Amino acid sequence: EAQVTQNPRYLITVTGKKLTVTCSQNMNHEYMSWYRQDPGLGLRQIYYSMNVEVTDKGDVPEGYKVSRKEKRNFPLILESPSPNQTSLYFCASSLYLGTPTYEQYFGPGTRLTVT
Amino acid sequence: DQQVKQNSPSLSVQEGRISILNCDYTNSMFDYFLWYKKYPAEGPTFLISISSIKDKNEDGRFTVFLNKSAKHLSLHIVPSQPGDSAVYFCAASAAAGGYQKVTFGTGTKLQVIP
Repeated sequence: EAQVTQNPRYLITVTGKKLTVTCSQNMNHEYMSWYRQDPGLGLRQIYYSMNVEVTDKGDVPEGYKVSRKEKRNFPLILESPSPNQTSLYFCASSLYLGTPTYEQYFGPGTRLTVT
Repeated sequence: DQQVKQNSPSLSVQEGRISILNCDYTNSMFDYFLWYKKYPAEGPTFLISISSIKDKNEDGRFTVFLNKSAKHLSLHIVPSQPGDSAVYFCAASAAAGGYQKVTFGTGTKLQVIP
């Protein structure tokens, strides 16, 4: 089954404790991205990756890091989480976004709470 | 600066009636538009899209209309069904540095009342 998986689905942590949210896709997609969803703000892009070892900032990259060492995996790293990073996070992948016709496939989301 | 706006946070419609979800955008460089549907505890899923060279695209009960002069698009669901109850995100894309950057709206929560 074609899918994007994220782990963990739920996480409660404390300020400053480093954490990683994993994302994996089995569709051999080139493009992967991280979004956060907040009430009244919709989905905002954090980071994206065009391919292995190619990553770039989205609209709200502060406080986050990513890496793309393998095509299927795109982990999101919060090295020193703060309460304003409490949010619902989605990983997404797409065959390629060089042309506009490829829709993105989203993972189920990770609900992160930072206290 | 919210380039894609969905001004109605929520909408309630009776089953069998038409649901109309609206989206406005400000960036004239957007050339492709998509609608995603999101159920609770799930990720968004692609619903329907439209290129800027068209003004209408239809897929079963779902039709998207694009008015470029007004920078406005809408999603019509006819007839609405209880299973359509979800959050709907409008998205728009534009070329940016070799790829299509996608910008999402804030979402509209649709409730279809049986």
